[in-house]
Amino acid sequence: DSGVTQTPKHLITATGQRVTLRCSPRSGDLSVYWYQQSLDQGLQFLIQYYNGEERAKGNILERFSAQQFPDLHSELNLSSLELGDSALYFCASSPGESSYNSPLHFGNGTRLTVT
Amino acid sequence: LAKTTQPISMDSYEGQEVNITCSHNNIATNDYITWYQQFPSQGPRFIIQGYKTKVTNEVASLFIPADRKSSTLSLPRVSLSDTAVYYCLVGDPRYNQGGKLIFGQGTELSVKP
Repeated sequence: DSGVTQTPKHLITATGQRVTLRCSPRSGDLSVYWYQQSLDQGLQFLIQYYNGEERAKGNILERFSAQQFPDLHSELNLSSLELGDSALYFCASSPGESSYNSPLHFGNGTRLTVT
Repeated sequence: LAKTTQPISMDSYEGQEVNITCSHNNIATNDYITWYQQFPSQGPRFIIQGYKTKVTNEVASLFIPADRKSSTLSLPRVSLSDTAVYYCLVGDPRYNQGGKLIFGQGTELSVKP
């Protein structure tokens, strides 16, 4: 058990809809990272928050947004969903701001299916 | 743009030692090398991290030569449960801010009985 909790585990929705994925980091971790994993793209970094502030952006679409709340949990909002957004979405956390010298702890993901 | 290069797949048998090599020619002075393991439908799991020479923990060993342009993950006496994808990650010298972490394609290890 990594200590990172993601909900829901599965989500099925229709194109054009909006969903919110939730992540609770490990106790004491200040950084939260979001990743998308699809069969053809591998594991893609989306965005990182550190202590409530955005720290890094990766390949995140404008239709997607995220935030980290004062209690350090994070939400990833996906809107105007398309079929190609179907993927596993992982959240990870780490103690500090930089992940390079500090291992990430991943949750077990939310599997999103857009029909 | 790939930051690391690993074999796409490897096969092994139970009880054998498996060595997975990763090339990272552009590793920066302050970068560490980290390996993760991922089982299907699960998040990646940290295995081991090192800076130079050799690091060993209860799961694996990591060998890093002096020039640090490559590293080798060694899994002793693998079992069927070690079948997974293994990712090698290093810091990107062009993106030292913000903690971007780039996973490559990984190496799909298949352990057979």
